[in-house]
Amino acid sequence: QKEVEQDPGPLSVPEGAIVSLNCTYSNSAFQYFMWYRQYSRKGPELLMYTYSSGNKEDGRFTAQVDKSSKYISLFIRDSQPSDSATYLCAMSDGGAQKLVFGQGTRLTINP
Amino acid sequence: KAGVTQTPRYLIKTRGQQVTLSCSPISGHRSVSWYQQTPGQGLQFLFEYFSETQRNKGNFPGRFSGRQFSNSRSEMNVSTLELGDSALYLCASSQSGRGINEQFFGPGTRLTVL
Repeated sequence: QKEVEQDPGPLSVPEGAIVSLNCTYSNSAFQYFMWYRQYSRKGPELLMYTYSSGNKEDGRFTAQVDKSSKYISLFIRDSQPSDSATYLCAMSDGGAQKLVFGQGTRLTINP
Repeated sequence: KAGVTQTPRYLIKTRGQQVTLSCSPISGHRSVSWYQQTPGQGLQFLFEYFSETQRNKGNFPGRFSGRQFSNSRSEMNVSTLELGDSALYLCASSQSGRGINEQFFGPGTRLTVL
C-alpha cells in the first residue's frame, strides 16, 4: 500500500463548479502538506503549502488538513478552464527535503 | 527571478548507455532534490543535495547518482540505462536545509530509453 493515496480520476466538471480533490495518507509523522498543479509537459507548480492541521485559503483555492483522519483536501471555487491540469498532493515529515507524492488527479474544466 | 532550469529538455538513449542531466536552482537556493516521474509510479524521490553533500536518498539502485557543485548547480547520472528508466526527471530547489521548505520544480528532462 502506498503511503499517500490519491484518486487519479480523471475528473471532469463544468466551468464555475466547485472542485474537491482529496488525498489520504498512512504515515502519522507527516506534518507538512502541499498541493501542486502540473500542466502537460511542465514541471509541478506549488499551489498551497500547509503546516499541520487546519485550513488555508488563497484566492479561489482552499486547502484543508485533518491529521486525525489522515486526510487532506483542496477545494477550487468558481473553476475555470485554465484550472484544467493534474493536481498532486505531497507531504513530508519535515525531517528532510523529501516529498512523498500522491498519484495525481487529472482535472478537466469544461467551458 | 529566474526559475529552476534543467538541461537537456529531451534525451533519447539506448539500453546500456549512461546519461547525465543538469539542474540550475533558483538563485540563492542551496538545496536541490531530484525526482523521477512515471505514469505507473508517479513522482518518486531520488536524492537531495545541500552544500555539495547528499543528505537524503530514496529507494533507487546505485546506478542513479548525483552531485552538487559549489554554485549549487546539480547533476544526476544514470549508468547502464534500462528501458524502465524512461521517465520525466524533475529537479526541485529550496532555500535552506532547516525543516521543510517550499520546493520549486523545473520543467524536467524527458528521458527515453530504447
